[in-house]
Amino acid sequence: DTGVSQNPRHKITKRGQNVTFRCDPISEHNRLYWYRQTLGQGPEFLTYFQNEAQLEKSRLLSDRFSAERPKGSFSTLEIQRTEQGDSAMYLCASSLGTFSDYGYTFGSGTRLTVV
Amino acid sequence: DQQVKQNSPSLSVQEGRISILNCDYTNSMFDYFLWYKKYPAEGPTFLISISSIKDKNEDGRFTVFLNKSAKHLSLHIVPSQPGDSAVYFCAAGGNMLTFGGGTRLMVKP
Repeated sequence: DTGVSQNPRHKITKRGQNVTFRCDPISEHNRLYWYRQTLGQGPEFLTYFQNEAQLEKSRLLSDRFSAERPKGSFSTLEIQRTEQGDSAMYLCASSLGTFSDYGYTFGSGTRLTVV
Repeated sequence: DQQVKQNSPSLSVQEGRISILNCDYTNSMFDYFLWYKKYPAEGPTFLISISSIKDKNEDGRFTVFLNKSAKHLSLHIVPSQPGDSAVYFCAAGGNMLTFGGGTRLMVKP
């Protein structure tokens, strides 16, 4: 297992279109997190899963955003009716239990550009 | 409401000298603190952590100090190397991590 994998790496979409991103965590990790990072800012928490259960969602996650983690394996993040303000790097991370001493392992992210 | 703040957006240090990156937090419920390093076009990489029951943790050239009464933590890198040039994020949490805005460290040869 080489780490957390995110696809696609880059996505350019027109305003109003729907987009979906995929994250494959480290296989033995039961927790999966989605973060969003804009230029010059730190990652902002969006949501996290423990196995297949979505346990917490940020207020940043409007009703246009939905995340799933079927069967507790990979996860998808969908954004409907994209807006220019959705342009950001979307980061996925995973951990075994809480982050404790070793933090999360992050993927390389999906950069979304809404034109 | 920014619960974790890094007030210095950038820091420039000469190779071989000490780099000190600072971070302040407001939530006294945070029980774990971490530092991440990020290169362009990559996700953040875990560097070092400290739990709230400790005041210092070392790993090679990296040392993190925690001052709970001041709600302040710092990362010391000694000696600094050009390869340390990156953006550094501090993060704090209980159930999930809250990140600061980052400090860009530039180590000059």
